[in-house]
Amino acid sequence: EVQLVQSRAEVKKSGESLKISCRGSGYTFTTYWIGWVRQMPGKGLEWMGVIHPHDSDTRYSPSFRGQVIFSADKSISTAYLQWSSVRASDTAIYFCARTKTGTTSLSMDVWGQGTTVTVSS
Amino acid sequence: SYEVTQPSSVSVSPGQTASISCSGDNLGDTDVCWYQQKPGQSPVLVIYQETKRPSGIPERFSGSNSGNTATLTISGTQAMDEADYYCQAWDIGTAGVVFGGGTKLTVL
Repeated sequence: EVQLVQSRAEVKKSGESLKISCRGSGYTFTTYWIGWVRQMPGKGLEWMGVIHPHDSDTRYSPSFRGQVIFSADKSISTAYLQWSSVRASDTAIYFCARTKTGTTSLSMDVWGQGTTVTVSS
Repeated sequence: SYEVTQPSSVSVSPGQTASISCSGDNLGDTDVCWYQQKPGQSPVLVIYQETKRPSGIPERFSGSNSGNTATLTISGTQAMDEADYYCQAWDIGTAGVVFGGGTKLTVL
């Protein structure tokens, strides 16, 4: 079964660093991109960007470039999303998703269960 | 940046056809996907490349895209289809994607 399993919920204070993870199984991890999507409380989906685990090529949405860092460790089929200093406005659910891309297309066909991040000031 | 717009809510009676629109400049010239999200769950891809259904998605889900509007159509809507639906469009300017604001489908 193709699965993405994300790390547990996090509670942080403003200014702390944070790294959450997304582990893939049931498929060849290095042949698909991994995308990240934010969902703030009661709000819609926001695309943050993608990383390719094969070579760690990354593409960030303009809204998130410079705010977060994507990384991946292909040896353990895991992708990461990290912040150097979280803020209250980072409070949200973060989803990872297996992503297929074409020249001008992108779709996310398998999703993780989401990681809830709560940041208190 | 590119923006796409969805109605905030759509209502449909069981067994009837639900249509959810997604509008954007020249949207018909770009790739569109649709996702279903039920409360407390992760999104599920229901339509990709405008008209294709992933394995396991019922045939009652279909998609179209022309001009400035893409449409998700659910034929013979069932109570289990009640959910939030998001369109996703390719943004040529950023070589990425943008989501619509989401449409809450109520089956009543």
